[in-house]
Amino acid sequence: GAVVSQHPSWVICKSGTSVKIECRSLDFQATTMFWYRQFPKQSLMLMATSNEGSKATYEQGVEKDKFLINHASLTLSTLTVTSAHPEDSSFYICSARPYTSGSPNEQYFGPGTRLTVT
Amino acid sequence: SQQGEEDPQALSIQEGENATMNCSYKTSINNLQWYRQNSGRGLVHLILIRSNEREKHSGRLRVTLDTSKKSSSLLITASRAADTASYFCATDEHGNKLVFGAGTILRVKS
Repeated sequence: GAVVSQHPSWVICKSGTSVKIECRSLDFQATTMFWYRQFPKQSLMLMATSNEGSKATYEQGVEKDKFLINHASLTLSTLTVTSAHPEDSSFYICSARPYTSGSPNEQYFGPGTRLTVT
Repeated sequence: SQQGEEDPQALSIQEGENATMNCSYKTSINNLQWYRQNSGRGLVHLILIRSNEREKHSGRLRVTLDTSKKSSSLLITASRAADTASYFCATDEHGNKLVFGAGTILRVKS
């Protein structure tokens, strides 16, 4: 149980285009999902917290107009990288907290999406 | 915001040896978790230790927590080539958000 999927697993796009990444909780409902970014050989940096039915909360330094987050249902959150540039190339990982979780730190992670902007 | 530190940054050992990784954090916590990440993959949860616990075991894993020093260690005993991965600690320093350590890259040579 507690499986989180991401789609696509990898994507290559041209500079200036937009890319959408999906994060789905497959066997549980998640009121909260998190989006992280990870550069090679570095740790995970939280980008934003996504709550179902409300606006996402972005971490300091993360451009909300650049990284659009939509959490339209209890099982799906999407991250859209708008007008992508080579510096946006990174590994994007989402996680989901079960609706029934009593612990704020119970998160299940997706397998990640490798974005390469050429 | 970024997090505490882990050391070593990289560790290379022979199969069968033990591997110890350390993690430090900055403020008070309710719990600390350890995760494993294989190259280019997502995170796998290994173990959670609460602030009122000092030591916890899970299979070949042993985690300690010293809240007075704001540090934790992860010991992997009798390492295997399949243990090759990056290991991260994560705390709840900022409430309902996880704060990850810098990570240790472990390489187990067969």
